[in-house]
Amino acid sequence: GQQLNQSPQSMFIQEGEDVSMNCTSSSIFNTWLWYKQDPGEGPVLLIALYKAGELTSNGRLTAQFGITRKDSFLNISASIPSDVGIYFCAGQLRTNAGKSTFGDGTTLTVKP
Amino acid sequence: NAGVTQTPKFQVLKTGQSMTLQCAQDMNHNSMYWYRQDPGMGLRLIYYSASEGTTDKGEVPNGYNVSRLNKREFSLRLESAAPSQTSVYFCASSELGTGGEKLFFGSGTQLSVL
Repeated sequence: GQQLNQSPQSMFIQEGEDVSMNCTSSSIFNTWLWYKQDPGEGPVLLIALYKAGELTSNGRLTAQFGITRKDSFLNISASIPSDVGIYFCAGQLRTNAGKSTFGDGTTLTVKP
Repeated sequence: NAGVTQTPKFQVLKTGQSMTLQCAQDMNHNSMYWYRQDPGMGLRLIYYSASEGTTDKGEVPNGYNVSRLNKREFSLRLESAAPSQTSVYFCASSELGTGGEKLFFGSGTQLSVL
């Protein structure tokens, strides 16, 4: 099946810093999604991207659908302690009935 | 809004025991899913149900069975639990958005098999 490589695996940053993470695939996707998982909870959708080159923001979060359709990026500006958690990317193909393939996650720690 | 509700929250089993994980959603979604999450790994799809009355295998279905009882409920059964099934299990449901499906997750069941 398709594999997603998500990097970095973990990040330790100072409050107020900006964060960048990415997800790459060997094959194309029609949709990219970014989820955040708080400790002890299920993932929650942050941003969905539907077109190559699309740039979408949700508050301090900005995500981009790579123009090759094989990658996506998530940036968090001015991090705060509640940004702590695991961030997952997910890709979807229309030919796969929209089912999601998930990356392994980026664990973010924010030091006050 | 309850969203997706999973029970139990925690469970400990002995090897060979059976149990059923329950999941219900109140968002009138057609599709429901069961995922497992292991440390350092992403979410892997066990089974899914595109609509009431249908179920299909995902990436890691061995050792599991599912039942789509009605539109709201989708249960996951372990007939004979094994230590390799120690994991966190998530149920999810989806609405069909433009170009794809956005997943709504429950809060998970932490299962330990001794």
